Amino acid sequence: DQQVKQNSPSLSVQEGRISILNCDYTNSMFDYFLWYKKYPAEGPTFLISISSIKDKNEDGRFTVFLNKSAKHLSLHIVPSQPGDSAVYFCAASYGGATNKLIFGTGTLLAVQP
Amino acid sequence: NAGVTQTPKFQVLKTGQSMTLQCAQDMNHNSMYWYRQDPGMGLRLIYYSASEGTTDKGEVPNGYNVSRLNKREFSLRLESAAPSQTSVYFCASSERGSQPQHFGDGTRLSIL
Repeated sequence: DQQVKQNSPSLSVQEGRISILNCDYTNSMFDYFLWYKKYPAEGPTFLISISSIKDKNEDGRFTVFLNKSAKHLSLHIVPSQPGDSAVYFCAASYGGATNKLIFGTGTLLAVQP
Repeated sequence: NAGVTQTPKFQVLKTGQSMTLQCAQDMNHNSMYWYRQDPGMGLRLIYYSASEGTTDKGEVPNGYNVSRLNKREFSLRLESAAPSQTSVYFCASSERGSQPQHFGDGTRLSIL
């Protein structure tokens, strides 16, 4: 049973445009959500997070939106750059701790120059 | 500025052999984790250690053991490797449970 789902295995975007990566979850107990970025042959790198008490969090070009009623979160990257090309994982946890992160399957983003 | 260091980076084993994957962090973090990543799947938690001296099972602990040797080091042992354990293994650490985790670059393990 996949509790965190990323239904788009891949996404291609032109440089300078917006990239929108989506993530759905089934467990209503989740209260903390994170996005990680992963380049080939490297470990995941933390990008941005959001608590369930918020519906939006921004950090530079990256914004995460949370829609609790729809159990949906999205990552917006504006403007997209070729260096953003990577696999993006969303992850979730509950109980206010990230000790047990549940990861989605990832979305491969390709930003075309 | 090493962060989380995993050794080895690559390993090939035969079925039934044993192996220990090593992980060390230099960020003085309290919590450490072991994950596996398989094709088409996200990272799945094998074991974690919330603090020195404690370990707990994650989603997929069967076939593995762990040791939190000290605050810096957290090892993962396969006692009798099976082909189903072919995977990429990631170690991670965090200052405490509520903080984002920092990952090593992984160990690619193949079991024939």
